[in-house]
This record gives sequence, structure tokens and C-alpha cells, in this order.
Amino acid sequence: NAGVTQTPKFRILKIGQSMTLQCAQDMNHNYMYWYRQDPGMGLKLIYYSVGAGITDKGEVPNGYNVSRSTTEDFPLRLELAAPSQTSVYFCASSYSWRKNYSNQPQHFGDGTRLSIL
Amino acid sequence: QKEVEQNSGPLSVPEGAIASLNCTYSDRVSQSFFWYRQYSGKSPELIMSIYSNGDKEDGRFTAQLNKASQYVSLLIRDSQPSDSATYLCAVNTGNQFYFGTGTSLTVIP
Repeated sequence: NAGVTQTPKFRILKIGQSMTLQCAQDMNHNYMYWYRQDPGMGLKLIYYSVGAGITDKGEVPNGYNVSRSTTEDFPLRLELAAPSQTSVYFCASSYSWRKNYSNQPQHFGDGTRLSIL
Repeated sequence: QKEVEQNSGPLSVPEGAIASLNCTYSDRVSQSFFWYRQYSGKSPELIMSIYSNGDKEDGRFTAQLNKASQYVSLLIRDSQPSDSATYLCAVNTGNQFYFGTGTSLTVIP
């Protein structure tokens, strides 16, 4: 009963390096989301996907890329890491039976704590 | 810009008291509303969902929604020290969810 699995849990990057944050869910959810959470702040949406092959930008997409080749996986790619991307990253998923409308609650992974030095 | 506003707190209540958490949102077409609890260093955990005006009760938790006033609240009865956490209000509009910055709650034994 894994739910939403994120790897790695912690990572330190140097400025300019690239990496991929992995997210997988086993609940057959069609919607998946990536958020970042800075200290004392709420969650900011980076990208989301309503199904395999479909992705869209959220509130803070700059510096990130995503892909959704399968229902289960939704990796987040950081290109040319910058100190401003130091944050905790959460992946979430939910299910909706309606197109362009997701009103079911999200299930979150445990997060990836990323520091860029 | 869709906004979700919460009092950041900290809110302190004695054990056994009622804790009241409030949230307002800016988008009138918002459809669904959620309360999440987040312990320090952990991921958000769903407590309540509410979709229509009125009250919804689940154990010690009651969510209240007033769409005309664009207001949603969470009451925690018989507060316990284990309720000490940050509570996030989330509002759903279309495909996206918008989160408040959270209210920090401390329950004093």
C-alpha cells in the first residue's frame, strides 16, 4: 500500500547541476501535481498533469520541466539548479472522473528536501 | 491571482478546548475545499473535505463552508497535544488547488 512514492528524500546540488525528482503512484490516479514549499509558506504549484501525455504549467514553472509518459510516473526535472530552487518538493495525486475538473482530495508523497549550494 | 488567506498564528489553546481555524478565498467559482494537517518536517495529511454550504462533522473535527462569504473554517473540539501542527486550507478551482500559508496550532497540556 505505497500510495505516492518520492525519491530521493534528500539531495544537495551544486549551482548549475541538473537532476530529476522521481514520483510514482500506485492508486491509478489520473491527476498528478508537483508543489514546492518554502519555509513558513504554503504550497506553490509547479506543474500538473491530468493524464498520461498531458502536462500544464502551474504558478511557478520557471526552471522546471515535467513529463508524463505513464499514468504512474510524473518526474520533475531541474535544469541548471539555482539557490532559489532550494525547497521541499511534494508530489501529489488525485482521481477525477470528469475532464478538466478535479475535486477529489490530493494524496501527498513524503517530499524531497533539496538544497542548492 | 487566486488567493487563499489564513491567519498564520501561532494559535495556542489549552488541552480540551476548541480550536477555531479560518480561511478566506478570492475566487467565487471555487468548487471544493479541504483542510490538511502538516506536522513539522512531514507531508500534508488530509483531515476534511467539504463541497457544499453548511457544516460537516467527522469525529472531533467540523468544517464549515459559506460560499457567499467565501469563507471556510475548521473547528477542533477537545483539542489534544497531538493536534499541534500547521493546518493548511486548500481550495480547488478547475484542475488546480490553491493553498493558504497555514495556521500554526499549539495545544498546551
